[in-house]
Amino acid sequence: KNEVEQSPQNLTAQEGEFITINCSYSVGISALHWLQQHPGGGIVSLFMLSSGKKKHGRLIATINIQEKHSSLHITASHPRDSAVYICAVPYSGAGSYQLTFGKGTKLSVIP
Amino acid sequence: DAGVIQSPRHEVTEMGQEVTLRCKPISGHNSLFWYRQTMMRGLELLIYFNNNVPIDDSGMPEDRFSAKMPNASFSTLKIQPSEPRDSAVYFCASSLDFYGYTFGSGTRLTVV
Repeated sequence: KNEVEQSPQNLTAQEGEFITINCSYSVGISALHWLQQHPGGGIVSLFMLSSGKKKHGRLIATINIQEKHSSLHITASHPRDSAVYICAVPYSGAGSYQLTFGKGTKLSVIP
Repeated sequence: DAGVIQSPRHEVTEMGQEVTLRCKPISGHNSLFWYRQTMMRGLELLIYFNNNVPIDDSGMPEDRFSAKMPNASFSTLKIQPSEPRDSAVYFCASSLDFYGYTFGSGTRLTVV
């Protein structure tokens, strides 16, 4: 089973700050998901990426397949970005469809 | 497309009762997943179907849990008998192979 480590577990930032959340995994993969979950809410897929970098609005996700590491960045953070961000990878490496998840990073952005 | 539809959104039941959770995946998706989320353990895979066939049920906690997918547009997760430690949020997700992963809104189960 792929082991997923996220850091930090909790993050508090002032509005406008640049945020970085990190994810490391143990088994080589074909792609990785970043997910967002608001308090009491459902889970939304933000990105799926297999190489390089993807950008959507103020969110940027990068991945280094060789180093088994990915980062999620939020530029000009806003209180509405407050949520839990979860990294997810294939359960047993490339080719498996089910996901295994990091424990999540709880982000609080203060006005 | 309405996305992945789960019902009910909330369920409160007494210990020992049978609970059935339902999921309608996105049309055209060939994989369906049931996950459970708790504060202590985060998100865990319970079972995974591909083309309506159960592929991996190693995450199902014990015989009290069972899941079915009688056709491509419907799946159920049943707990019988339910116990307080089953209290969690249960998510269904569907995808086309590994792409287009979409989660439902979840069912919050409370067993008292």
